[in-house]
Amino acid sequence: DQQVKQNSPSLSVQEGRISILNCDYTNSMFDYFLWYKKYPAEGPTFLISISSIKDKNEDGRFTVFLNKSAKHLSLHIVPSQPGDSAVYFCAASGTGNQFYFGTGTSLTVIP
Amino acid sequence: DSGVTQTPKHLITATGQRVTLRCSPRSGDLSVYWYQQSLDQGLQFLIQYYNGEERAKGNILERFSAQQFPDLHSELNLSSLELGDSALYFCASSRSRDGFYEQYFGPGTRLTVT
Repeated sequence: DQQVKQNSPSLSVQEGRISILNCDYTNSMFDYFLWYKKYPAEGPTFLISISSIKDKNEDGRFTVFLNKSAKHLSLHIVPSQPGDSAVYFCAASGTGNQFYFGTGTSLTVIP
Repeated sequence: DSGVTQTPKHLITATGQRVTLRCSPRSGDLSVYWYQQSLDQGLQFLIQYYNGEERAKGNILERFSAQQFPDLHSELNLSSLELGDSALYFCASSRSRDGFYEQYFGPGTRLTVT
């Protein structure tokens, strides 16, 4: 049972525009959410996180929004750059320190 | 560089064989996680160890086993290999930040079963 879902396998965005990646979860016990970025032939790298006590966290061009009532989070990248082209994984954790990952969204930023 | 190391980088073996993947966590991290990523799939959690003890189990097959040693490095053993076991295997370690845990991933081992 997939507790974290990324329903868009791929996304293409023009350079300079906003990229919005979405993620849904089913377990209301999750209290910490993370985004990871993965380039081919490399391991995922941590990008940004948010705890359930917040609804927004910003780090430079990256902002994560959390809507607890909808069990939905999103990652906004603005402005998008060609180097942002990668696979983005959403992850969630609750008690027990176990992480649940989505299937990833492949972002392509077109120069 | 995440500080997590995995060896080997690539492994090619035949069906029915057994292999061992190795992971060294970041210095000071007590938790080690193993994940499998098959083609077009997300990261499937296999197993977690914390300071030498198994902490959580995910979708790990009975043919697979893992352990974490006193020096905190971990090994994932895959036996009676099947073609479907071909995948990227990632190890991650974690530590607490402000009461929450973040994972840091190694570069992965690409296993090809022929």
